[in-house]
Parts: sequence; C-alpha cells; structure tokens
Amino acid sequence: AQSVTQPDIHITVSEGASLELRCNYSYGATPYLFWYVQSPGQGLQLLLKYFSGDTLVQGIKGFEAEFKRSQSSFNLRKPSVHWSDAAEYFCAVVPWKKTSYDKVIFGPGTSLSVIP
Amino acid sequence: DAMVIQNPRYQVTQFGKPVTLSCSQTLNHNVMYWYQQKSSQAPKLLFHYYDKDFNNEADTPDNFQSRRPNTSFCFLDIRSPGLGDAAMYLCATKSDIPNNQPQHFGDGTRLSIL
Repeated sequence: AQSVTQPDIHITVSEGASLELRCNYSYGATPYLFWYVQSPGQGLQLLLKYFSGDTLVQGIKGFEAEFKRSQSSFNLRKPSVHWSDAAEYFCAVVPWKKTSYDKVIFGPGTSLSVIP
Repeated sequence: DAMVIQNPRYQVTQFGKPVTLSCSQTLNHNVMYWYQQKSSQAPKLLFHYYDKDFNNEADTPDNFQSRRPNTSFCFLDIRSPGLGDAAMYLCATKSDIPNNQPQHFGDGTRLSIL
C-alpha cells in the first residue's frame, strides 16, 4: 500500500545538538516531497520541498533534507537545534499525477522536544 | 502578511448546534482544502475545491459540508456537531500552475463541543 512513514513518534534532543528526522515513502515513482512544521495551536508551515534535481535541499530556519531514491527516504536534518524548534514535524508526499491538482499524503508526524 | 486566514481561531459550540468555520485567502489560489486534525495526529483531508468543483473524500461524514462562494472564501459547515468532531480544522490553498507547488496553510480553527 502507498504510505508515508515517520518511524520516530517522539524525539528529544539537547539544544545545540544535531537533529535528524526520518521519513520513508512507498510509491513507485519519485513523488513530490515536503517537510512541514507545526507549532502548538498553529497551522502547518512549509520547511522545504523536493521535486527533482539536487538531492540535498535547503529550507528555512536552517533545515535541510536529503532525498535518497535507493532508500525511498527524505530525512530532515539540522546541525544545531534551537529551543524554538520544538514542534511537530510532518513529512508529506504528493504522488506524481497527471491531473492538475493533487492530494497530499501526510506522515503521522514526529514530535520534537528540546532540552535547554 | 497573513495569506490564508481562518476565523475564528477558537470556536465553541453546543452538541448538535450547527457551526460554520471560515477561510479566506489573498493568494488567488484556485485550489482550497479543508482538513481535520485531532490531537497528535496528521491532518485528515475532508474535501477540496478545484475552482468551483467540489471533491469530497469518501470517508468524510455527511455532517460536513462546504461552500466556496468565490475564489477567496471557503466555508466549512458542520450541521450537527458531535463530541467526536472536536478538533483543529485547517484550511489550505494551492495554485495548480505549476503542479508542483506546495499547499499554504492557515493557522486553523480549534473547535470545542460542549
């Protein structure tokens, strides 16, 4: 079945430590890939996106993600976490379609806590 | 600077009393979406409009309706809210040109049922 998985439900890191959030998808072709962040009581904010080309993409707030076709993964990374990064992170996939609109498939989310 | 605006941010209604949530956008995007998000879960798509064409998800309860009177506005109507409808409701917009554009989300309306 087509799906998006985020293996880690919750991660806790110390401020200043590095971070990697995992995302895997199961689609035949390379989909469009996104990472969103959601702070408590807020909507979703786009961190970065991948469609094609360079497999390492840079986003806002110092985040980056690397697409690995062989592993069907799109992991999110940040070299040094700030306390304000504590939030819920969603990996999202748009399976490639020929129609001009699309349905976003969200992963279950990873909750990030940051220890001062 | 807010581009997708949801009102109100917090809504309290009584069990069974109809409620309407609103979403407006300044992006002139032709696609608008409504999601339901419960605590610690991913957003769940309820329906979307592609221009004026309404697309309902198969598992969206009949209790949920939507209206899009023009490009800028979209409404979510819950005819008879039950306790299980308490959730965050997110509106999102997207331009389909080009097709690979991301969705832009509002800050949501948190709905409580008494």
